Amino acid sequence: SYKLTQPPSVSVSPGQTARITCSGDTLSKQFTFWYQQKPGQAPVMVMEKDSERPSGIPERFSGSSSGTEVTLTISGVQAEDEADYYCQSTDNNGTDVLFGGGTKVTVL
Amino acid sequence: QVQLVESGGGVVQPGRSLTVSCVGSGFTFSRYGMHWVRQAPGKGLEWVAVTSHDGSTKFYSDSVRGRFTISRDNFKSSLYLQMNSLRAEDSAVYYCVFGERGGFDVWGQGTMVTVSS
Repeated sequence: SYKLTQPPSVSVSPGQTARITCSGDTLSKQFTFWYQQKPGQAPVMVMEKDSERPSGIPERFSGSSSGTEVTLTISGVQAEDEADYYCQSTDNNGTDVLFGGGTKVTVL
Repeated sequence: QVQLVESGGGVVQPGRSLTVSCVGSGFTFSRYGMHWVRQAPGKGLEWVAVTSHDGSTKFYSDSVRGRFTISRDNFKSSLYLQMNSLRAEDSAVYYCVFGERGGFDVWGQGTMVTVSS
């Protein structure tokens, strides 16, 4: 079955850039979405269709795609960006939804 | 505003059944496919099931296929997940979710299901 792979953790100092990768065979054919989840809260979409920022999401969040890997970039990281981040896509049929295992972003 | 409110979670014994529900408001419920996504304590997100806008098409994850049934009542703007033969590994917060452009931009607050004897 298809799988999406993320690094378990990323650490970054305030003001620096955090890059979170997500890799999977289907990502060259299907769009990827990214979610931010803070403790005790439901996830919030921070990127859609690889690189489109939903309304209300700060400009420091950006997305890119290259082949079977997509990247969520947080430029000028702030303390409030500390959270778990999940990538999401679908299988090649577009029926089954896939989530990455999640990346914990720690702001040092 | 657009809102999803889940209910029906609780503690249930292994092998028993439970149905969780979700009511949507602030949008035209019958226009959208609806999903259930779950999250076990301290773990990541796991997609569970989807139903098309009219309930005619349904897909399930391998981990729940044959045990769980997703359904909807568009007249009541409600989504359901009937869970049979529950296992300890089904313990999770169950979220009702949907989106307009392929992802999930609307999430409920979740309802906790604990499978334990």
